[in-house]
Amino acid sequence: SQQGEEDPQALSIQEGENATMNCSYKTSINNLQWYRQNSGRGLVHLILIRSNEREKHSGRLRVTLDTSKKSSSLLITASRAADTASYFCATAYGNKLVFGAGTILRVKS
Amino acid sequence: NAGVTQTPKFRVLKTGQSMTLLCAQDMNHEYMYWYRQDPGMGLRLIHYSVGEGTTAKGEVPDGYNVSRLKKQNFLLGLESAAPSQTSVYFCASTTGTSGFETQYFGPGTRLLVL
Repeated sequence: SQQGEEDPQALSIQEGENATMNCSYKTSINNLQWYRQNSGRGLVHLILIRSNEREKHSGRLRVTLDTSKKSSSLLITASRAADTASYFCATAYGNKLVFGAGTILRVKS
Repeated sequence: NAGVTQTPKFRVLKTGQSMTLLCAQDMNHEYMYWYRQDPGMGLRLIHYSVGEGTTAKGEVPDGYNVSRLKKQNFLLGLESAAPSQTSVYFCASTTGTSGFETQYFGPGTRLLVL
């Protein structure tokens, strides 16, 4: 069964706007990761946030983690058409990552 | 570095046929994983390996077998393909001692079972 669940399932915004995606999970984790998948391609790692961290930044990406609520959010600021992709959260426990079903982001130019 | 490569990119099988998917990585990673991705779903773990000569079952292992004879290669076999195995298969690898860290993915293999 999937550990993480992303919300919303799909998001459509205009170029320049911010995009926020949320991820909820069920059990204690070592870390939480976000990945991007362009159509027809493999997943690409975006950012990793450890369980003892609350916020992390990478370029236009901002990730927050609330372990008390078992949730994380990914914010993409000043979105571009090239950000159009599926975004997945993955929770790390055991020797594995468990992926959610993803959020499909469409950025219209 | 080529990173993680997968062979073949696309394959059509008839029900009951067998095939092997090859994953190769040149990053000297210990951990390797096979996932399948179906429409509207995230990745589901089929099998994984924590080092050369080791394999372990993931979430959906039935109908698949794996081998890790060399550190750089991880093979996924379908002994008797079924239409339910139509999917996109991704291989990934990661370094570190826990398997928790960043995973590097191959480009995927699209498999259609008729």
